[in-house]
Amino acid sequence: DSGVTQTPKHLITATGQRVTLRCSPRSGDLSVYWYQQSLDQGLQFLIQYYNGEERAKGNILERFSAQQFPDLHSELNLSSLELGDSALYFCASSGTFDFGGGYTFGSGTRLTVV
Amino acid sequence: AQKVTQAQTEISVVEKEDVTLDCVYETRDTTYYLFWYKQPPSGELVFLIRRNSFDEQNEISGRYSWNFQKSTSSFNFTITASQVVDSAVYFCALSEARDTGRRALTFGSGTRLQVQP
Repeated sequence: DSGVTQTPKHLITATGQRVTLRCSPRSGDLSVYWYQQSLDQGLQFLIQYYNGEERAKGNILERFSAQQFPDLHSELNLSSLELGDSALYFCASSGTFDFGGGYTFGSGTRLTVV
Repeated sequence: AQKVTQAQTEISVVEKEDVTLDCVYETRDTTYYLFWYKQPPSGELVFLIRRNSFDEQNEISGRYSWNFQKSTSSFNFTITASQVVDSAVYFCALSEARDTGRRALTFGSGTRLQVQP
């Protein structure tokens, strides 16, 4: 157990639908990151939150949005889903800026859009 | 913009062979972090090492060793006496280290290592 909890582990949904992925960071970590891993795009950074505020944005589609709540958990909302959104979505967390190790990744949510 | 290149898409070795995974990076930053992650067939991302750009010392951890050469912008990973359990996809990654709080990882495309018994 890495300490980063992602739910659900698997999700199957239809095109056009909306889903919410949830992430609880490791205890004490203030930063949460979302990554997408797909066969054609590889591992891509989507967005970073630090203590509730957006800190950095990557290749996140406008149909996607995220937020970090006061208890530091984060949600990634994916809407108007397309077949191409099928991917493994990872959440990661880290401590303050000068973290001593690496990010800690959750086990991922595998999203299948049919 | 940052970029990480892992030119080796797939490597196959026989158990007990040594294998080196190459990683070349590009960044305009003078300070940055470099990482290696392992993704076994089960899918999780396992942290292996972080290296600060100002620390060019090589590191050894058991059968694993890393060679960081700033002059060639490379951060190569060597597995000595490979084992079947080393079979996985290995990712090299880069992040900023400036005091902006931005810590997004730029990943390479990964190298799939297959260790045959």
